[in-house]
Amino acid sequence: DARVTQTPRHKVTEMGQEVTMRCQPILGHNTVFWYRQTMMQGLELLAYFRNRAPLDDSGMPKDRFSAEMPDATLATLKIQPSEPRDSAVYFCASGLVLGGEGYGYTFGSGTRLTVV
Amino acid sequence: AQTVTQSQPEMSVQEAETVTLSCTYDTSENNYYLFWYKQPPSRQMILVIRQEAYKQQNATENRFSVNFQKAAKSFSLKISDSQLGDTAMYFCALIKAAGNKLTFGGGTRVLVKP
Repeated sequence: DARVTQTPRHKVTEMGQEVTMRCQPILGHNTVFWYRQTMMQGLELLAYFRNRAPLDDSGMPKDRFSAEMPDATLATLKIQPSEPRDSAVYFCASGLVLGGEGYGYTFGSGTRLTVV
Repeated sequence: AQTVTQSQPEMSVQEAETVTLSCTYDTSENNYYLFWYKQPPSRQMILVIRQEAYKQQNATENRFSVNFQKAAKSFSLKISDSQLGDTAMYFCALIKAAGNKLTFGGGTRVLVKP
């Protein structure tokens, strides 16, 4: 089965450090999402790409978060500087959207980030 | 804005029995997609079932089926012949056609008891 690959699976870092999370979407998928999951807020959309172009990052704190897709096989989410409140599970998901049709979105296993 | 509400925080069911999870949503769109995702303790988000709003026929995937009531904006999930491996969080989600945001409900924790 095709899968979305996220690295690292776990990350513990000290407050103020830079954190980079990586995602390899499924080959052929043209849509990539970044979500954050916490107990308090549930699943929140951080950023969204279509054909590698960022279309919506309104859910992302711009002063410290950045999301990019340097090529079709890699999406990155960076936090600089990290803060304890950033502790969460970060999911990447990819999907194929053609002519307005969405065929379902496949999630990666997530990166559990702990900022101490 | 679109919203998804799951009113049952937790449900338990005996193995081999049936459980139904409720989901209601609100959207101004006429064309959209609804999903149920399963998140077991491994935290992997697994797509269980998908429903196109323009299709009246309810989607079915093996032991999983939905009751889609478009006018009532309701999208419930029925798990038949529950198995221990069905123990997980279940999330209902909505996205408009070619939309940019998959909106999730708060989740329902399902515990299947032997």
